[in-house]
Amino acid sequence: AQTVTQSQPEMSVQEAETVTLSCTYDTSESDYYLFWYKQPPSRQMILVIRQEAYKQQNATENRFSVNFQKAAKSFSLKISDSQLGDAAMYFCAYRSDYSGGSNYKLTFGKGTLLTVNP
Amino acid sequence: ETGVTQTPRHLVMGMTNKKSLKCEQHLGHNAMYWYKQSAKKPLELMFVYSLEERVENNSVPSRFSPECPNSSHLFLHLHTLQPEDSALYLCASSQDPRAYNEQFFGPGTRLTVL
Repeated sequence: AQTVTQSQPEMSVQEAETVTLSCTYDTSESDYYLFWYKQPPSRQMILVIRQEAYKQQNATENRFSVNFQKAAKSFSLKISDSQLGDAAMYFCAYRSDYSGGSNYKLTFGKGTLLTVNP
Repeated sequence: ETGVTQTPRHLVMGMTNKKSLKCEQHLGHNAMYWYKQSAKKPLELMFVYSLEERVENNSVPSRFSPECPNSSHLFLHLHTLQPEDSALYLCASSQDPRAYNEQFFGPGTRLTVL
């Protein structure tokens, strides 16, 4: 079974600074997708960034980028120029692309609570 | 209404009550999901529906009964719940159940079982 581990329950960053959130996962599969979701205090979870395992290039979305290390099974999220609105719980998630079995399950880590200090 | 909506936003019920959670998506998606979010635990997938057919039942107790009458609506019927079932229940939808599709989440229903 796949597992996702976020080793940092809480992180804080100064406004305009850069912060990196860690995520590692365990899988025996070669085809999968990795996601970072953000859940602000209002509770509506939204997708921040997505990475296809077959792509070597790290995904980037504006101030958000990932460092995807497939061999190390690591998928960290870097937030540049942090803003107050970035304060939220961040979840790393894994989803198998294996068509031979159930690939409906999005496996989440426990989350990292990010605080942005003004 | 846009996106994914859930009602009610908060629900308090006794262990002998029967209640239902409602989810509606306005995105034209074909897949819908129920998740349970408990404190200090990862989100747990409960059920997946694709084109109104249940395609995943993740070992959920029978006191939780999902219903998907059409691709826009998803219900979670609750009966004889336990206090440990208190949690935030999130609904999500995606274009289809394939792995790369983004899931869009609703705001959740905060359930308290007394």
